[in-house]
Amino acid sequence: DAGVIQSPRHEVTEMGQEVTLRCKLISGHNSLFWYRQTMMRGLELLIYFNNNVPIDDSGMPEDRFSAKMPNASFSTLKIQPSEPRDSAVYFCASSTTTQGAKNIQYFGAGTRLSVL
Amino acid sequence: GEDVEQSLFLSVREGDSSVINCTYTDSSSTYLYWYKQEPGAGLQLLTYIFSNMDMKQDQRLTVLLNKKDKHLSLRIADTQTGDSAIYFCAETPPSGSQGNLIFGKGTKLSVKP
Repeated sequence: DAGVIQSPRHEVTEMGQEVTLRCKLISGHNSLFWYRQTMMRGLELLIYFNNNVPIDDSGMPEDRFSAKMPNASFSTLKIQPSEPRDSAVYFCASSTTTQGAKNIQYFGAGTRLSVL
Repeated sequence: GEDVEQSLFLSVREGDSSVINCTYTDSSSTYLYWYKQEPGAGLQLLTYIFSNMDMKQDQRLTVLLNKKDKHLSLRIADTQTGDSAIYFCAETPPSGSQGNLIFGKGTKLSVKP
């Protein structure tokens, strides 16, 4: 398996533009997590899905951020409009979630977003 | 609250042992995890320990768990320059969660030759 695949790896955009980050889950996984990593705030969970259903989006900074799972193997994180403070590395991770069992999350390589 | 605490930096010399410490909050966590993040990459599972264990050893890695004090540590024996990375401790949140983990802020390990 190729692992979790994120695209693009790098994105440079101007303030006010729409940004779409993409993530392909590992085949057979049923949970999807979006994280943001910055020097100041460390690793933050933005939102996660189980079986395509959003479970907790309390980490989404504001209405400018939205995430979807149009199917079981793919997710997008959209920022519209983007702002310089959104500059960060965005990771997605997937796992097979079984209550009470170990839940190993597999991370993608990340998208480094720079908003000028 | 749901905070996993780690010191932010650790510096050791090549060949020495490294010990990275973590305190967690939820005594009902069934599994505790150590993840490693190399520069420019995502996090990768390094090892994990089930809560009914005190210790787990895997080659150069030793994980110690003190449930009474909610303290987890990762010891790396014979630390190499390739071990330089950020190490994250993580726990499963209270019952009712559905697969998410609570991560610490990470400990940046620097190994000097």
